[in-house]
Amino acid sequence: EVQLLESGGGLEQPGGSLRLSCAASGFTFNNYAMNWVRQAPGKGLDWVSTISGDGINTFYADSVKGRFTISRDNSKNTLYMEMDSLRVEDTAVYYCARRTISWGGFDVWGQGTLVTVSS
Amino acid sequence: EIVLTQSPATLSLSPGDRATLSCRASQNFGSHLAWYQQKPGQAPRLLIDDASNRATGIPARFSGSVSGTDFTLTISSLEPEDFAVYYCQQRNSWPLTFGGGTKVEMK
Repeated sequence: EVQLLESGGGLEQPGGSLRLSCAASGFTFNNYAMNWVRQAPGKGLDWVSTISGDGINTFYADSVKGRFTISRDNSKNTLYMEMDSLRVEDTAVYYCARRTISWGGFDVWGQGTLVTVSS
Repeated sequence: EIVLTQSPATLSLSPGDRATLSCRASQNFGSHLAWYQQKPGQAPRLLIDDASNRATGIPARFSGSVSGTDFTLTISSLEPEDFAVYYCQQRNSWPLTFGGGTKVEMK
């Protein structure tokens, strides 16, 4: 079964750091670009970042550029998001999602992990 | 940045009705658009890719179309499980962007 499982969310103070992980199973991980998408409470979907299957190419939303770093370990079938200089407005459920093999839409999603930034 | 404007914000319909959801793009980018369904407390689910291609396992009552910068998701006859929020997303250029969503609620 194809599956994504996020972990690492929690409560952090403004200016703090968190590291999210997304464990993939059931598919050849390094064949797929992977993504982080977030959703603030009661709000819509917000694309955060994408990394290519080989980990060489990365892309970020302007709102997180310079603060968040996406990475992957293909030997462990795991996607990461290092989140630094956290802001209150980063509070959201963070989903990892697989992009289709043709770099289309996001066809597999995790259940999400909640990040709360508050003093 | 490509801005996607979804309308209406809310659609109040009954089971068996036809639902027509709109997503208008700020610029023309061909057919590189996806549609997602999201139910409360759940992750989004891919319905349509490349404007009109149903994703694996998606029922035939869901269809997508495009005319210039106007994209449409049609649900031919609403089932009870279709009441949810629907989002469009463009994948043509960075940053990837989502529309604000359309909530399909039961009348």
